[in-house]
Amino acid sequence: TQLLEQSPQFLSIQEGENLTVYCNSSSVFSSLQWYRQEPGEGPVLLVTVVTGGEVKKLKRLTFQFGDARKDSSLHITAAQPGDTGLYLCAGARDAGKSTFGDGTTLTVKP
Amino acid sequence: KAGVTQTPRYLIKTRGQQVTLSCSPISGHRSVSWYQQTPGQGLQFLFEYFSETQRNKGNFPGRFSGRQFSNSRSEMNVSTLELGDSALYLCASRGGRSTDTQYFGPGTRLTVL
Repeated sequence: TQLLEQSPQFLSIQEGENLTVYCNSSSVFSSLQWYRQEPGEGPVLLVTVVTGGEVKKLKRLTFQFGDARKDSSLHITAAQPGDTGLYLCAGARDAGKSTFGDGTTLTVKP
Repeated sequence: KAGVTQTPRYLIKTRGQQVTLSCSPISGHRSVSWYQQTPGQGLQFLFEYFSETQRNKGNFPGRFSGRQFSNSRSEMNVSTLELGDSALYLCASRGGRSTDTQYFGPGTRLTVL
């Protein structure tokens, strides 16, 4: 069983603070996706990282894929209330198989 | 391109009934996966269809079944509903240039009374 562990499980911070969410596994993935999900809605894709060591930036969000392609991190700078949601990472290996982390619930208080 | 669509968005059923959920993938995507999401269990993989064939299957009882049509649209059926089947059911499609990346629909919220 391929496990993808996310940490922390819950995070509550004040607007303007920085935060990092981690996604770790003992398995190697061909790519890794990060999603944000709001209550009652489907996950929305934020980014796909493919190359070991890759860093991608999306406005205030920075995503990094580990050199060995087993782990990833999501860093948010100057968090805003609109960043509130469930953040999910998903690792893809064989065609058609993705492993999802349990998610990080982020609450950003104004 | 239109995104993944799911119908209906909300559904209320009673125990013992059956339900069919529908998913239309992004145009050109041939793979459709179904997930069950509950607060306690997170996102659980049900099955994946590719070109009308089930390619992968999760650990769910036989009451959960699916199919895919030649236009890649997919349906999921749950028979003999149980209270524990209440969940958000998500459909995701993949294909095109990035075959690893899944794109999710808005989900169907199923409530079993």
